[in-house]
Amino acid sequence: QVQLQESGPGLVKPSETLSLTCTVSGASISSYYWSWIRQSPGKGLEWIGFISFTGTTKYTSSLESRVTISADTSKNQVDLKLRSVTAADTAVYYCARIMVEGVHGMDVWGQGTTVTVSS
Amino acid sequence: EIVLTQSPGTLSLSPGERATLSCRASQSVPSSSYLAWYQQKPGLAPRLLISDTSKRATGIPDRFSGSGSGTDFTLTISRLEPEDFGVYYCQRYGSPFTFGPGTKVELK
Repeated sequence: QVQLQESGPGLVKPSETLSLTCTVSGASISSYYWSWIRQSPGKGLEWIGFISFTGTTKYTSSLESRVTISADTSKNQVDLKLRSVTAADTAVYYCARIMVEGVHGMDVWGQGTTVTVSS
Repeated sequence: EIVLTQSPGTLSLSPGERATLSCRASQSVPSSSYLAWYQQKPGLAPRLLISDTSKRATGIPDRFSGSGSGTDFTLTISRLEPEDFGVYYCQRYGSPFTFGPGTKVELK
C-alpha cells in the first residue's frame, strides 16, 4: 500500500530554513499530486501547498513568499523548504497525497514530523 | 478565498447517540466534488472520511455520512462508537485547500 514518511531536523533556529522530505513508497510521485500541511500545537490544520504530477506548484497566500515545494522523481521524494522561520512556524508537518480523479480528497497521510523553531 | 466555519466547536455525546456536525462556507462551493471531511485523533495524522460531499473513503463504516451543497454541508455519525471520538475537519478541495477550524466530538 502507499506509505508516506516525513523526515528532517526537529529543531531549526529562527531566521534559518526549514527543510523536510516526504519519502513515498507504493506509488510513483509522478502519477499524483502531493501536499504539505502543518498543525501548530493545539491548533487546527493549515494547508501549505502542493506539487502536481507536472511539477506545477501552488501555495497558501500567507506563506507563498517563503515556501518552495519540489519533487525528486529519482528518489520518489517530495521536499518542503520554508525560509526565514520564526517561532510561529513551530508545528507538526504532514505530507499527504491528493487524489484528483474519482475521489477528491487527501487520501494518504504521513505520520507527521515535529519541527520546533528555537535558538 | 473561501473561509470555512464549523459548528459546534465541541459536541459532547454518549456512545450510541447521533452526531451532526456542520460546515459552512463563506461563498458557494462550486461543485459537490469540492468538500471533504477528515477525522483526527490525538497524536495521529488526519484520516479522510468523506470526499465529494458524500463519498465514504475506503474502509469508512456506513454510520458516517455526508450531505449538503452550496454553502452548507453536514457530517452525520448515526450511532457513535467509542473510536469515533476526536476532532473532525471539513476541507474545501481545490487550491487553496482550506480547512475549517474543526469540531471536537468528546465523550459526555
